[in-house]
Amino acid sequence: GAGVSQSPSNKVTEKGKDVELRCDPISGHTALYWYRQSLGQGLEFLIYFQGNSAPDKSGLPSDRFSAERTGGSVSTLTIQRTQQEDSAVYLCASSPGLATDTQYFGPGTRLTVL
Amino acid sequence: AQTVTQSQPEMSVQEAETVTLSCTYDTSESDYYLFWYKQPPSRQMILVIRQEAYKQQNATENRFSVNFQKAAKSFSLKISDSQLGDAAMYFCAYRSAGAGSYQLTFGKGTKLSVIP
Repeated sequence: GAGVSQSPSNKVTEKGKDVELRCDPISGHTALYWYRQSLGQGLEFLIYFQGNSAPDKSGLPSDRFSAERTGGSVSTLTIQRTQQEDSAVYLCASSPGLATDTQYFGPGTRLTVL
Repeated sequence: AQTVTQSQPEMSVQEAETVTLSCTYDTSESDYYLFWYKQPPSRQMILVIRQEAYKQQNATENRFSVNFQKAAKSFSLKISDSQLGDAAMYFCAYRSAGAGSYQLTFGKGTKLSVIP
């Protein structure tokens, strides 16, 4: 079946603008994760969702970052008032559920903040 | 907090030869999962192999195998009969088996080059 998809593939924005990044998980997967991959920090966990439970937001770096998941499927990561240090690849992953440990990743969105 | 260390930023191997990528981790937990992911230039992270900490037997997937040393907290990846398509970044990752800790903790990665 179809894998995890993310859009856009690349996004260039100006400092101070808001951006939205989208993730479509594998159909039927109830768990969804966001990670950030940057040159300086490597791969960092941002947030995860499981079904209708409250998300674990412990990895979000600041209150400019937020995410939602509508209908237990598609997720949107929003970055407000973007800064140059937000430039990174944002990766989304999904897994069948908490009892299943393998996460399947999408191709990521490369965000460049000028 | 758990940490994962990959001490080899870059490695190279001749085509058809064998290469071993190193990974060590630090944890106080007894039950956890370990993973190796491959990231080619396309950016998509692809699962190569996984290991459950409670299993003593080392995991294998075709040309890929691991050497899991729980006491030493070491988890190396061996790639046999290396192919050009194996060239990529390789990330070692840790995941707790406990409730409420489902995110992956990654190492910094090892860039593998395969020489024809």
